[in-house]
Amino acid sequence: SAVISQKPSRDICQRGTSLTIQCQVDSQVTMMFWYRQQPGQSLTLIATANQGSEATYESGFVIDKFPISRPNLTFSTLTVSNMSPEDSSIYLCSVVWGTGGTEAFFGQGTRLTVV
Amino acid sequence: GENVEQHPSTLSVQEGDSAVIKCTYSDSASNYFPWYKQELGKRPQLIIDIRSNVGEKKDQRIAVTLNKTAKHFSLHITETQPEDSAVYFCAASNPNTGKLIFGQGTTLQVKP
Repeated sequence: SAVISQKPSRDICQRGTSLTIQCQVDSQVTMMFWYRQQPGQSLTLIATANQGSEATYESGFVIDKFPISRPNLTFSTLTVSNMSPEDSSIYLCSVVWGTGGTEAFFGQGTRLTVV
Repeated sequence: GENVEQHPSTLSVQEGDSAVIKCTYSDSASNYFPWYKQELGKRPQLIIDIRSNVGEKKDQRIAVTLNKTAKHFSLHITETQPEDSAVYFCAASNPNTGKLIFGQGTTLQVKP
């Protein structure tokens, strides 16, 4: 498996501000995804980060709130914009490769607290 | 839309007993079913997976079964140990999109 580096690992932010989370992979991957895990909950897919084009967002998530970049096959960013306490969660990037292109692995996550 | 239901939400067993967690999925196009273990404060770790052309897969104390007709899949842990205590998530993946839809999670507690 490749090494997935996600940063920052945690942050405490003021409401109304924005935070950009970075995800770096040490090899080229076809698919990258961003998930949110609210306290005590499961993982919810935010969007698919498409290389060289706009991300594909899941229902309930919009580009203005969660802009995503993916300039190449090894890097992506997720920005959480105009934050409120409800955005306090763990945000995880995930990459997919392997036989059939389906095995998924996760970055270490970013624990965000909005105050 | 795509959905994965997971049961039970919590499971408590004695050390040495077996634990079974069950999931059902809605998207008939799903063909890949991984299980993740998440310890407190850590990222989910893939522990076993199964593809739709296989009915059962085993790795030491862990096994997964798949009933594609019924859209059910299950995780079986035998001879449980305290270090098996964690939150377990099932997921289903559509080969066309690669994205994972997760179940709600099961908190497993293994009592010494």
